[in-house]
Amino acid sequence: NAGVTQTPKFQVLKTGQSMTLQCAQDMNHEYMSWYRQDPGMGLRLIHYSVGAGITDQGEVPNGYNVSRSTTEDFPLRLLSAAPSQTSVYFCASSYADTSSYEQYFGPGTRLTVT
Amino acid sequence: SQKIEQNSEALNIQEGKTATLTCNYTNYSPAYLQWYRQDPGRGPVFLLLIRENEKEKRKERLKVTFDTTLKQSLFHITASQPADSATYLCALDSTGGGNKLTFGTGTQLKVEL
Repeated sequence: NAGVTQTPKFQVLKTGQSMTLQCAQDMNHEYMSWYRQDPGMGLRLIHYSVGAGITDQGEVPNGYNVSRSTTEDFPLRLLSAAPSQTSVYFCASSYADTSSYEQYFGPGTRLTVT
Repeated sequence: SQKIEQNSEALNIQEGKTATLTCNYTNYSPAYLQWYRQDPGRGPVFLLLIRENEKEKRKERLKVTFDTTLKQSLFHITASQPADSATYLCALDSTGGGNKLTFGTGTQLKVEL
């Protein structure tokens, strides 16, 4: 199993550009989430999904869109990049099984917006 | 407002000693609490989960306690090794649904020879 994969690893955008961060998992997990991690702020939840076709907002959703057409994929779209979106982005997935809420994280995408 | 606090200062300890990290929270009623390890440039890795009705959980050299009255969790690494050096994050889920975690900012641990 590859686990949770994210592409790209690094990206530089200009203000106003759009892009999609890709996330895929091969563990058949129901839940998937996107977090951003900034110095001194910890991981903050952007959007999450409890299954294909179902998404919801987290703590910091503004400026980001998500969709979940398959169980495996959960892309994050930046509509019009801003310098405030410079961050490290992590995708995570987990089972919906209440006996284990362990989240599996991807390696992250480091995004710089100039 | 809801808040999770972990020591922002790095913790330096000698090899073989027990490291104790603290996670305090306010205005939460968490169904469970998790601890993760994060190495530089990598995603967090799950270590332990403890539920609100559990006082203590152990896994090998790791021990977690959870005091819902004090609103505090302690994370212990016994017989620490240089390989334990990393940042340790606590995370709460007050919904119980498993899909909306709130993370602390993490405490950096450095184990010296």
